[in-house]
Amino acid sequence: GAGVSQSPRYKVAKRGQDVALRCDPISGHVSLFWYQQALGQGPEFLTYFQNEAQLDKSGLPSDRFFAERPEGSVSTLKIQRTQQEDSAVYLCASSSLDRGHAFFGQGTRLTVV
Amino acid sequence: DAKTTQPPSMDCAEGRAANLPCNHSTISGNEYVYWYRQIHSQGPQYIIHGLKNNETNEMASLIITEDRKSSTLILPHATLRDTAVYYCIVRVVNNDMRFGAGTRLTVKP
Repeated sequence: GAGVSQSPRYKVAKRGQDVALRCDPISGHVSLFWYQQALGQGPEFLTYFQNEAQLDKSGLPSDRFFAERPEGSVSTLKIQRTQQEDSAVYLCASSSLDRGHAFFGQGTRLTVV
Repeated sequence: DAKTTQPPSMDCAEGRAANLPCNHSTISGNEYVYWYRQIHSQGPQYIIHGLKNNETNEMASLIITEDRKSSTLILPHATLRDTAVYYCIVRVVNNDMRFGAGTRLTVKP
């Protein structure tokens, strides 16, 4: 596709449930970023990949959060045993190495009830 | 840990230039200044970036001071559709990218 695609767009999870959020970056983009955005706040960095290598995961808030990009394209952000404070919009972005600026998806809005 | 400081909010009259300031006093020599904006319920949108020279594209102009410690994003003729949160970010190209709180720009008729 032409842009970064995220699915699902909306997810409602019961507290304690595991969720998986998918990101399809722009074809050929080497870099991939995940962010968490709470209501009224700026995006908070979670993790960053170059190809399949996870170069920085310092923003993941706990060991319940896990991200992978096994073949260097599609990425999945997994949250185990979801809690109410995990409710947020999860944004994915990708960029090529030569241009540097990132393109964002529309995000997945996660609501934990 | 955003490394930039922006005013929380600004207003601008429709048709006038909107000048959004950003302080980045600890910027390193290999860090670029990037600007993004986020319209309600959408993902952030890239606007412009620069290293030390002023830059212009179809959306905006970026003015970076000679010491590189601050910059200004200029929207030359603001429209109501430019109402958004504007983020100034400093980063090394192809490194991770961290957002601050941004400036909420409201364009008024």
